[in-house]
Amino acid sequence: DVKVTQSSRYLVKRTGEKVFLECVQDMDHENMFWYRQDPGLGLRLIYFSYDVKMKEKGDIPEGYSVSREKKERFSLILESASTNQTSMYLCASRQGGEKLFFGSGTQLSVL
Amino acid sequence: RKEVEQDPGPFNVPEGATVAFNCTYSNSASQSFFWYRQDCRKEPKLLMSVYSSGNEDGRFTAQLNRASQYISLLIRDSKLSDSATYLCVVNGLAGANNLFFGTGTRLTVIP
Repeated sequence: DVKVTQSSRYLVKRTGEKVFLECVQDMDHENMFWYRQDPGLGLRLIYFSYDVKMKEKGDIPEGYSVSREKKERFSLILESASTNQTSMYLCASRQGGEKLFFGSGTQLSVL
Repeated sequence: RKEVEQDPGPFNVPEGATVAFNCTYSNSASQSFFWYRQDCRKEPKLLMSVYSSGNEDGRFTAQLNRASQYISLLIRDSKLSDSATYLCVVNGLAGANNLFFGTGTRLTVIP
């Protein structure tokens, strides 16, 4: 089965810090995604990548950037963390229109 | 109007009960449909895809009603271990990025 691995399960950062969230998938999927999940709001797409070095903004890209230098790796960067970025961050991948596979999530707290 | 809407619940049912969730979607051209299960503080995991003819996997039955634009999930003989949040996911027009998530329905199975 597909494995999507996120580098950290829990992370605590201070306001203004630069934060890197890493995600690696092992099934050669074209498409990778970063979502955040907040109570009552469901999953919201931050960024999407459909190929190496290709990215598209999702619904809430402000305050975030991404990097996809290799097909298997998709990184989310918070340039200057703020308290309203405290959330659960979920990475996911899929091949074409097939089912979506999620990583185990990173619970980020920004103090 | 939201792309995908679910009754958030909570649904509290006794063990052994049958429970059904619906999820409505707004885009009649939507192409594929999924039910995911999410446990507290964990990532969503695919429960089942939803096919036009309906499909069953053990105690779980998923159905699609294109005319009324909803999908349903039926759980028979509920177990304590079925307690979770159930997310419906709809793939809109063709394209890996056209995924829309419901906010989830919370189920608690009571002994």
